[in-house]
Amino acid sequence: DQQVKQNSPSLSVQEGRISILNCDYTNSMFDYFLWYKKYPAEGPTFLISISSIKDKNEDGRFTVFLNKSAKHLSLHIVPSQPGDSAVYFCAAIAQGGSEKLVFGKGTKLTVNP
Amino acid sequence: DAGVIQSPRHEVTEMGQEVTLRCKLISGHNSLFWYRQTMMRGLELLIYFNNNVPIDDSGMPEDRFSAKMPNASFSTLKIQPSEPRDSAVYFCASSSARGPSILGTEAFFGQGTRLTVV
Repeated sequence: DQQVKQNSPSLSVQEGRISILNCDYTNSMFDYFLWYKKYPAEGPTFLISISSIKDKNEDGRFTVFLNKSAKHLSLHIVPSQPGDSAVYFCAAIAQGGSEKLVFGKGTKLTVNP
Repeated sequence: DAGVIQSPRHEVTEMGQEVTLRCKLISGHNSLFWYRQTMMRGLELLIYFNNNVPIDDSGMPEDRFSAKMPNASFSTLKIQPSEPRDSAVYFCASSSARGPSILGTEAFFGQGTRLTVV
């Protein structure tokens, strides 16, 4: 049973436009969420995170939005750049719970010049 | 720090052989995670350690898989005997825990070991 779901395996956007990557979760105990970016032949690298006490966290071109009632979060990248082309993983963790970082299957983003 | 170091980067082995994957943690980190990435299941947590102690190994597929932390900076993941369905990329990650919870810390991943069992 996938507790963290990224329903779009791939996304293609034009350079300069906004990229929106979506993530849904089922475990209501999750209270901290992270996005990782992965280039081919490399390990995932941390990108941005958000605590459940917030609904938005912004870092430069990257913004993560959290909708707890819908158990949904999204990563916005604006403006998108070709170098953003990678696989993006959503991850979640429950403090005081299993303490395991649970990942989605990832969304492959392609930013076309 | 050079980051999390995994070896080998690539491993091709015959079915039935023993495979050992290695991981060196970032200095000062005390949580260690082994993940497996496949097309079908994405990134799956196999096992994680905190302060050298295995905390949760519920993700380990079966008894053919075993993981150890002989010291605070090093871990191995062993598959014996290996099978073709074990073919995947195996990632090791480490993080620094604050108290009993790793909330608020981000895991740093190694580059992975691509395992092919033929």
